[in-house]
Amino acid sequence: SQTIHQWPATLVQPVGSPLSLECTVEGTSNPNLYWYRQAAGRGLQLLFYSVGIGQISSEVPQNLSASRPQDRQFILSSKKLLLSDSGFYLCAWAKVAYEQYFGPGTRLTVT
Amino acid sequence: QKEVEQDPGPLSVPEGAIVSLNCTYSNSAFQYFMWYRQYSRKGPELLMYTYSSGNKEDGRFTAQVDKSSKYISLFIRDSQPSDSATYLCAVNYGGATNKLIFGTGTLLAVQP
Repeated sequence: SQTIHQWPATLVQPVGSPLSLECTVEGTSNPNLYWYRQAAGRGLQLLFYSVGIGQISSEVPQNLSASRPQDRQFILSSKKLLLSDSGFYLCAWAKVAYEQYFGPGTRLTVT
Repeated sequence: QKEVEQDPGPLSVPEGAIVSLNCTYSNSAFQYFMWYRQYSRKGPELLMYTYSSGNKEDGRFTAQVDKSSKYISLFIRDSQPSDSATYLCAVNYGGATNKLIFGTGTLLAVQP
């Protein structure tokens, strides 16, 4: 069976500091990978998705970036965090877009 | 106009009640309709997806799509306290498109 991991689970970072969130998937190959952000009281906002190694599509212009260095690894980064980057970050994988499976999430607080 | 609208609730029902959760969407081109359950501070869990119109049943859960009115529903029979969560609807164009468009979620509380 497939498993998706995210770490860290929680993170408190000062404004202007860098960010690196990691997501890995087990039990499948060549999955589509997604990064979402969920702000309090709001729906999930798609940030990035990838259909293969090195292929990244950005949905929302912001100070975040994503990379896929390996088939089942997806990384979300920032060089300098803003207060508005606070939120619940979710990674998801899928073989088809309408059947996405989410990880446990990372709760980021920027202070 | 938002592409997917969902009443945020909260919706409070007694244990054993039939729960009806609903979303409306604006674009008739959407082909796939999903329901996710999200417990507090956890990632969303896919309950089921439906292609085009019609019903789909899985245990106590039934998903229904009415494309003529652009209305999607999730019914929960014999609701349990463990069903207390936020329920998110999502839509997708199908084909090669990767994007899911989510509603904001409805918070459900099932009282024992």
